Amino acid sequence: GENVEQHPSTLSVQEGDSAVIKCTYSDSASNYFPWYKQELGKRPQLIIDIRSNVGEKKDQRIAVTLNKTAKHFSLHITETQPEDSAVYFCAASASPPPGRRALTFGSGTRLQVQP
Amino acid sequence: IAGITQAPTSQILAAGRRMTLRCTQDMRHNAMYWYRQDLGLGLRLIHYSNTAGTTGKGEVPDGYSVSRANTDDFPLTLASAVPSQTSVYFCASSDSGLAGVSSYNEQFFGPGTRLTVL
Repeated sequence: GENVEQHPSTLSVQEGDSAVIKCTYSDSASNYFPWYKQELGKRPQLIIDIRSNVGEKKDQRIAVTLNKTAKHFSLHITETQPEDSAVYFCAASASPPPGRRALTFGSGTRLQVQP
Repeated sequence: IAGITQAPTSQILAAGRRMTLRCTQDMRHNAMYWYRQDLGLGLRLIHYSNTAGTTGKGEVPDGYSVSRANTDDFPLTLASAVPSQTSVYFCASSDSGLAGVSSYNEQFFGPGTRLTVL
């Protein structure tokens, strides 16, 4: 099955700096890669996703890049703000239809933005 | 009901007891999932259901069972709870699109159930 590794496990940056979180996956059939943000005591919420037919996607201060050859994808947050502090999870889906579309998650990165 | 809900919010359970965690969604999503979240391990899939009447095993299914009698509900049952099942449990749902079509849509998560087995 799919295996997703995520680094670093913790990341501390100064407000206004950029943060980068990296993930690798094992299943070459994976073609959907979402990123979730989870605040303390809350549910995970999707912040951005990318499909394998594109290499980069951007949404305001957040961008995701995908390298299918190397099987890795990254989350980039620019101009970080204290409210970006949370745990971020990458995930991958390796399920062509009609199989399951469940996600395999990385172990998470705790991002702390220092004011 | 708006979105996806879970009950109870939290529960302390004696080992050996039976427990059912409830999950209900009103978005008419055909796919539903149960994950457990443990510190340092992210979220791991327990069971899933692509559509009402079908279920499948995920990464960590042992000790758990599910049913999907209708589109809206996807209960998770622990037949005989053990301390290693202490965790936060999240239910999720997604609209997987037309049958046979590759369609990856957002998974929406419920608020979670914090379960402690003593």
